[in-house]
Amino acid sequence: EADIYQTPRYLVIGTGKKITLECSQTMGHDKMYWYQQDPGMELHLIHYSYGVNSTEKGDLSSESTVSRIRTEHFPLTLESARPSHTSQYLCASSETDYNEKLFFGSGTQLSVL
Amino acid sequence: GIQVEQSPPDLILQEGANSTLRCNFSDSVNNLQWFHQNPWGQLINLFYIPSGTKQNGRLSATTVATERYSLLYISSSQTTDSGVYFCAVGEDGATNKLIFGTGTLLAVQP
Repeated sequence: EADIYQTPRYLVIGTGKKITLECSQTMGHDKMYWYQQDPGMELHLIHYSYGVNSTEKGDLSSESTVSRIRTEHFPLTLESARPSHTSQYLCASSETDYNEKLFFGSGTQLSVL
Repeated sequence: GIQVEQSPPDLILQEGANSTLRCNFSDSVNNLQWFHQNPWGQLINLFYIPSGTKQNGRLSATTVATERYSLLYISSSQTTDSGVYFCAVGEDGATNKLIFGTGTLLAVQP
């Protein structure tokens, strides 16, 4: 099965704090993604990367930013957290070849008070 | 953009029953995947199936790309099958960005 890791699993933080959600994968996948999911709802793509130094915004507008300095690492940062950022954030990766099966990490449940 | 609709939205089964989940999409796709999200939130990839039929144990899936739908079959359901099943598609001509459906919430009762 996939080896993609997210930390922390849960995060409760006050308004205005800067946070970074970590995502790492050991499969050597070039493509990585961040999805946002509210309870009981579908997933929305907020960021993606096709390789080192490549980042793009997804279909759902987000105030978060991402970086891709190493293939295996794709962190997401919120400079100033707000209650509207409360959600589950899911990191995923896929191969670049024809079989682009998507693998997900366990997610980070973020609560901003 | 492409629209993805799943049905039924909710489903309750007795253990041992069979079920069929449906995913309709509004445009040509180059990628279609089925996922299971367990009650703890973990998403597991069940099938990568842009066309044709695949089977994995009690689960099988069929995609008829020309008619823009996919079906997920669950046979002899177990309580561990409970959770939300998502269909996700990648639009033809677009980069590999998957668009998720709203999911089918399945509850399997003992």
